[in-house]
Amino acid sequence: AQKITQTQPGMFVQEKEAVTLDCTYDTSDQSYGLFWYKQPSSGEMIFLIYQGSYDEQNATEGRYSLNFQKARKSANLVISASQLGDSAMYFCAMRERQLTDKLIFGTGTRLQVFP
Amino acid sequence: GAGVSQSPRYKVAKRGQDVALRCDPISGHVSLFWYQQALGQGPEFLTYFQNEAQLDKSGLPSDRFFAERPEGSVSTLKIQRTQQEDSAVYLCASSQESGTSQPQHFGDGTRLSIL
Repeated sequence: AQKITQTQPGMFVQEKEAVTLDCTYDTSDQSYGLFWYKQPSSGEMIFLIYQGSYDEQNATEGRYSLNFQKARKSANLVISASQLGDSAMYFCAMRERQLTDKLIFGTGTRLQVFP
Repeated sequence: GAGVSQSPRYKVAKRGQDVALRCDPISGHVSLFWYQQALGQGPEFLTYFQNEAQLDKSGLPSDRFFAERPEGSVSTLKIQRTQQEDSAVYLCASSQESGTSQPQHFGDGTRLSIL
């Protein structure tokens, strides 16, 4: 069964607008971490934001925020004020404490920002 | 160096040849991970080291894949008798220590093509 589901293969957003990238996860562990990474066409994976399962506040890092809804097992990434440089693949990933720190990734969402 | 360094950036090999991929993690990072990323997919876990100890190799697809980190810093992923299905991007990541909250920092990857 898929542990991380990203249902949007592609998204378009106009520059300066906000966009939400969806991520749902499946785990029976009580302690886990959720991560978002950006992968531009050049290939490197860039860490964006982290949310812990026990964190009560939604994580924020600059223009990135994570809409964490634990009961629904969703961890959507919100990018505010989109920029052309935000065009990339975005991956949601989970780390479960019961596993050896490995990240489980979704299939990704390709975001394209247009002027 | 400032980030995770991988070499070579690109590798082309004929089917049946052996290849070795190198990863130099961020200085002082205890944990090191290898992932395989097929075209259009998210990265998939291969193996994990804590210092020189290989704690998890459950993701290695066959006994043709072998990884080592003999001195707890640089790691090498070796693939013997390469097959076409081994063609992928191989990503190395490191984190400062183990734990669900620690982000993994990725290198640029090695793109392996098997002819």
